[in-house]
Amino acid sequence: RKEVEQDPGPFNVPEGATVAFNCTYSNSASQSFFWYRQDCRKEPKLLMSVYSSGNEDGRFTAQLNRASQYISLLIRDSKLSDSATYLCAVNRDDKIIFGKGTRLHILP
Amino acid sequence: ETGVTQSPTHLIKTRGQQVTLRCSSQSGHNTVSWYQQALGQGPQFIFQYYREEENGRGNFPPRFSGLQFPNYSSELNVNALELDDSALYLCASSLRGRGNTIYFGEGSWLTVV
Repeated sequence: RKEVEQDPGPFNVPEGATVAFNCTYSNSASQSFFWYRQDCRKEPKLLMSVYSSGNEDGRFTAQLNRASQYISLLIRDSKLSDSATYLCAVNRDDKIIFGKGTRLHILP
Repeated sequence: ETGVTQSPTHLIKTRGQQVTLRCSSQSGHNTVSWYQQALGQGPQFIFQYYREEENGRGNFPPRFSGLQFPNYSSELNVNALELDDSALYLCASSLRGRGNTIYFGEGSWLTVV
């Protein structure tokens, strides 16, 4: 079993829709949690950190459930520019471990 | 943009050859991590260097080795290249103990033929 698992994707959704990404992690010692965005043939870029209290940044909302070892990302009112691969990541022993990523295609 | 620079950006090697990839970390960052990202996969952790010492290693064979220099820049060396080593190699720098947000360079695209 992979340490970080994500929805396999791809997700093809119409512009304006709400998209939800799910991620689970297996190591309960994981200390901090992140969502990264990766555009085609580019490096991953930090989208947001994820906290137990939940956090929101504009159209993006991230949630963490430590008991279930589950992380989510919600994108509301999706835009064409949101098309990318979304990577879930956890910090374990000062190492950042990534999931496989979920590709998102926003359709006009 | 992130202050992390990698070189070369693209290279082609023949199976069995050796390659060295280089990374300059963001100013003030003392930790460098290397990742391999094959097509359609997430970044896979190769190893991390902190203050010139290896500080953790992923599931990669010994022919993957590295160095970190006193200025915190780093090298990734891969010996006896195999076709499956073709990937994007990403360097990420961070400041240990500060939430471990990592910042990636643009990566080095390696093709092994």
